[in-house]
Amino acid sequence: DVQMTQSPSSLSASVGDRVTITCRASQTIATSLNWYQQIPGKAPKLLIYATSTLQSGVPSRFSGSGSGTDFTLTITNLQPEDFATYYCQQSYTTPTFGGGTTVEIK
Amino acid sequence: QVQLQESGPGLVKPSETLSLTCTVSGGSISSYYWSWIRQSPGKGLEWIGYIYYSGSTDYNPSLRGRVTISIDTAKSQFSLKLNSVTAADTAVYYCARVKITSHQINWFDPWGQGALVTVSS
Repeated sequence: DVQMTQSPSSLSASVGDRVTITCRASQTIATSLNWYQQIPGKAPKLLIYATSTLQSGVPSRFSGSGSGTDFTLTITNLQPEDFATYYCQQSYTTPTFGGGTTVEIK
Repeated sequence: QVQLQESGPGLVKPSETLSLTCTVSGGSISSYYWSWIRQSPGKGLEWIGYIYYSGSTDYNPSLRGRVTISIDTAKSQFSLKLNSVTAADTAVYYCARVKITSHQINWFDPWGQGALVTVSS
């Protein structure tokens, strides 16, 4: 299995901040990387697919980049509704997910 | 827009079979792939398997042999059976639609709200 490692596991930020979350794959996965947002008690929601394509309806303050083994999710101008846990998922082989990054209010 | 809803027992005894159903509404179950994913504190998010509306399936190798996914297009439902469960199978189970190209899973969207299944005697 391809192991996905996210960092940090949690972070504290304020409304208006720029936040960057990193996801590293244990082997190259090209650009087969997706990002999900999970609010407590809710199902994960697809934010970005194929590394950098925003799912319909997702605000443009979310962006993704990377290739190979290293990927980032960036949230600019953090909003109150963005405080959640974010997961990466590789789709290069049998799908696997990262352990999650929780964005908390500072 | 399509919505998914999981249903089934919330408590299963060890060694027995976990059974869940996902009902698809607001869209057609046909011409799409559908998947089960689970989330537990210990293992995080884990893909279980998928089924095409035609009935073809693929499963996570880690669970192959214990899992069966089936579909009833007339009822717009697909189902999960996981046998010989242990406490390690305690999780929130999600159903989701899958985007697949060239027989490779791409991403999962949308997801159902999830169903907590506890394995305990």
